[in-house]
Amino acid sequence: AQTVTQSQPEMSVQEAETVTLSCTYDTSENNYYLFWYKQPPSRQMILVIRQEAYKQQNATENRFSVNFQKAAKSFSLKISDSQLGDTAMYFCAFMKQGGLNTDKLIFGTGTRLQVFP
Amino acid sequence: DTEVTQTPKHLVMGMTNKKSLKCEQHMGHRAMYWYKQKAKKPPELMFVYSYEKLSINESVPSRFSPECPNSSLLNLHLHALQPEDSALYLCASSQDLSRDYSYEQYFGPGTRLTVT
Repeated sequence: AQTVTQSQPEMSVQEAETVTLSCTYDTSENNYYLFWYKQPPSRQMILVIRQEAYKQQNATENRFSVNFQKAAKSFSLKISDSQLGDTAMYFCAFMKQGGLNTDKLIFGTGTRLQVFP
Repeated sequence: DTEVTQTPKHLVMGMTNKKSLKCEQHMGHRAMYWYKQKAKKPPELMFVYSYEKLSINESVPSRFSPECPNSSLLNLHLHALQPEDSALYLCASSQDLSRDYSYEQYFGPGTRLTVT
């Protein structure tokens, strides 16, 4: 079975600074996808970034980038130039590719990020 | 349009009531999902529909009954719920289910359910 671990329940960062959220996972699969989802307070969950395990290049989306270390099973999210609107719960998620139940997202427990002015 | 809509936003129901949650998407997605999310916890998958057929049931109690009348609409019928069923119920959709690719799931804003 796959598991996703987010070891930082809460983090805070000052506006315009950089913050890194940690995520590790455990799987015996070779082909899979990793995601970071953002859930602002009382607002809907949105996809921040995704990474295909077969791609060595780290994914980036504007101020958001990941550090994907496949051998170490690590998938951290870096937010540069933090903005007040980045305040949210961030979930790391895993999905395996191929076979049965391929679209089951396995979520970590989340990291609550607070951005201060 | 990447929007998934859910109604109602809030619902309070007694343990003997029957109610329904509704989810709609107009992105042409063929896979739709129901999740349950307790406060400060990650979402837990309940059901997956693919091409209007139930694909996954995560051993959800029968007091929750999903229905997919067409490719754009997903309902969750509720009957004889317990107070511990109070939670945020999220709907999501994705383009398709595929053995070779994983499509992003787009989430709705959720229905906050309180069972009294």
